[in-house]
Parts: sequence; structure tokens; C-alpha cells
Amino acid sequence: GQQLNQSPQSMFIQEGEDVSMNCTSSSIFNTWLWYKQDPGEGPVLLIALYKAGELTSNGRLTAQFGITRKDSFLNISASIPSDVGIYFCAGDPGGTSYGKLTFGQGTILTVHP
Amino acid sequence: KAGVTQTPRYLIKTRGQQVTLSCSPISGHRSVSWYQQTPGQGLQFLFEYFSETQRNKGNFPGRFSGRQFSNSRSEMNVSTLELGDSALYLCASSLDTQGYTFGSGTRLTVV
Repeated sequence: GQQLNQSPQSMFIQEGEDVSMNCTSSSIFNTWLWYKQDPGEGPVLLIALYKAGELTSNGRLTAQFGITRKDSFLNISASIPSDVGIYFCAGDPGGTSYGKLTFGQGTILTVHP
Repeated sequence: KAGVTQTPRYLIKTRGQQVTLSCSPISGHRSVSWYQQTPGQGLQFLFEYFSETQRNKGNFPGRFSGRQFSNSRSEMNVSTLELGDSALYLCASSLDTQGYTFGSGTRLTVV
């Protein structure tokens, strides 16, 4: 099935460092979503972006909806050990494609204390 | 408020059997969608229901089916299980198709 191109695949960083990850697509999306998944659990919504060019923050997290509507990035500032997990981007095409999110492959984040 | 509840959390089935998974959405959410998550394919969309009607379906064989009840609770069924159906099955609910909230999933193992 179709997936978004998410990079990097994994990151090993020191506590306190900033993190950046991004997603690109050949298709246009009406909404970009960023999720975090812990082992054995479902994805938890971190940030939702609804307009091209939109820049949204949620605490130490900042995400942007690309102008072309084909990309998005997520930044995490001053990482802490509980940031460990798998981060997924997801695109929602909107219109009649109800609930049909397309996900990236995920970025595995490891934070060393 | 209560989140999305999926039952059971874990399930072991034998090849050829069928299985039914249940999802209770957040109160007031009428859209329920289902996803399959595997290490090889990642998160793949199965189908979406709204007011008891399937509005969208992903690229899965007909062995995968679902339904939604009048109280918005949803079930998905997989018949004639194959080893490759082993996966984490996730349900998400939404209000007006924005901000999908996922449950913890059902881990299905087919042996």
C-alpha cells in the first residue's frame, strides 16, 4: 500500500538535543497529522495541521504544513527521555476519502540520558 | 472522557479460523476507522464507517469485513485466517473527520 516518505528512519540523540523529522508525498493532503506510538499501544495524536503553510506548536513540539501540501516536518526541542518512541506522520486527503489516512514508515527516536 | 476502547487486547487464533474484534469509539464520535499495523507494511487503512455505513475501504481482500452499530460501536471480522494476518489491529474514532484518536489495539497472532 501507499506510504509517505518519512525520514530519518531512526535517531539516537543525547538528552537536551533538538530533533527534526519530515515527511514527503507525491500526493496532496488536506490535513497533516503527527502521532507518537509507544510499544504495545496505539498512536497518540501530537499535532494536527489543517492549512498549507501553517506552523503549530504543542509545548516542545513544532510542526509545519508545507506550502505545496505535499510535505510536513516535526521538530522536538530540548529532548527528554520520555520522548523515546516511534513518531509517525499521516496525511488525510480529505474530501470523500473519509478516515483514509496514509502513514509514513515511522521515525524511531532513542534519547540517551 | 473515556478514550477509544478495543477488545480483546490479545488474541491467538489458528489458521482457517475466523475472528471478530470490537471497538467502542469516544462518546459522540460517529466515524470509526480500522487499520492494520505490521512491521513490514506499517499502518494500512482497512475501512471507515459513519452512521452504520461503510464510506471507504482499503486494499484488503474480502476476508476482511466490518460493521458499525447504531451506538457507533464497530466490529471487524477476518475470516479464514492466514499467518500473514498476524498484526496489531487499530481502531480510530473521529468527530467530523478531524483529529483521529486511536485505541490501544488488538494484537492478533495466527498460528
